[in-house]
Amino acid sequence: NAGVTQTPKFQVLKTGQSMTLQCAQDMNHEYMSWYRQDPGMGLRLIHYSVGAGITDQGEVPNGYNVSRSTTEDFPLRLLSAAPSQTSVYFCASSSAHRYGANVLTFGAGSRLTVL
Amino acid sequence: DQQVKQNSPSLSVQEGRISILNCDYTNSMFDYFLWYKKYPAEGPTFLISISSIKDKNEDGRFTVFLNKSAKHLSLHIVPSQPGDSAVYFCAASAGSGGYQKVTFGTGTKLQVIP
Repeated sequence: NAGVTQTPKFQVLKTGQSMTLQCAQDMNHEYMSWYRQDPGMGLRLIHYSVGAGITDQGEVPNGYNVSRSTTEDFPLRLLSAAPSQTSVYFCASSSAHRYGANVLTFGAGSRLTVL
Repeated sequence: DQQVKQNSPSLSVQEGRISILNCDYTNSMFDYFLWYKKYPAEGPTFLISISSIKDKNEDGRFTVFLNKSAKHLSLHIVPSQPGDSAVYFCAASAGSGGYQKVTFGTGTKLQVIP
């Protein structure tokens, strides 16, 4: 059981380039989300999805696009990378429960540097 | 607007002693609070949670205390072990069910000294 898999682990981009961070989970989780981690800022929510075909914005969505065509995959797209997007990106998923906390399972992260 | 705050960026504790990590929040609508642990080069992993209707939840060496009137929660680790050295994130969410957005604090780096 792989859990949440993120690729690539490391990426260096030039300003203006585009790229996609991949996220896949094999737990049949309905909920998937992307966070970025920056020093002194903690984990900030970029976008999230509650199921295939449904996405919504988090705290810091500007500069990022997402789509959810399958339950398993939730890619994060940077259309025109900027140095401010240098960060460590985490994908997380969870199963929906009628009651209780939303306990997220995280991937190992993707470290992105934009020059 | 930082709704979940961890005011101590770091904490050092001797092995065997108690570690107390603190977290404050501003949103009175939060229903659940969670603690995650993160090792370098890994993703955060869930540690323990507490519902807003409770004031304490215990799991082995880890206990979370919630003071709703003060909008404050704390994680106690007793006894602390070197393997507990990690960054700890406090998190919170509003509403019940699996679709709640989870808001994280800035993290506290715990070092347990052997």
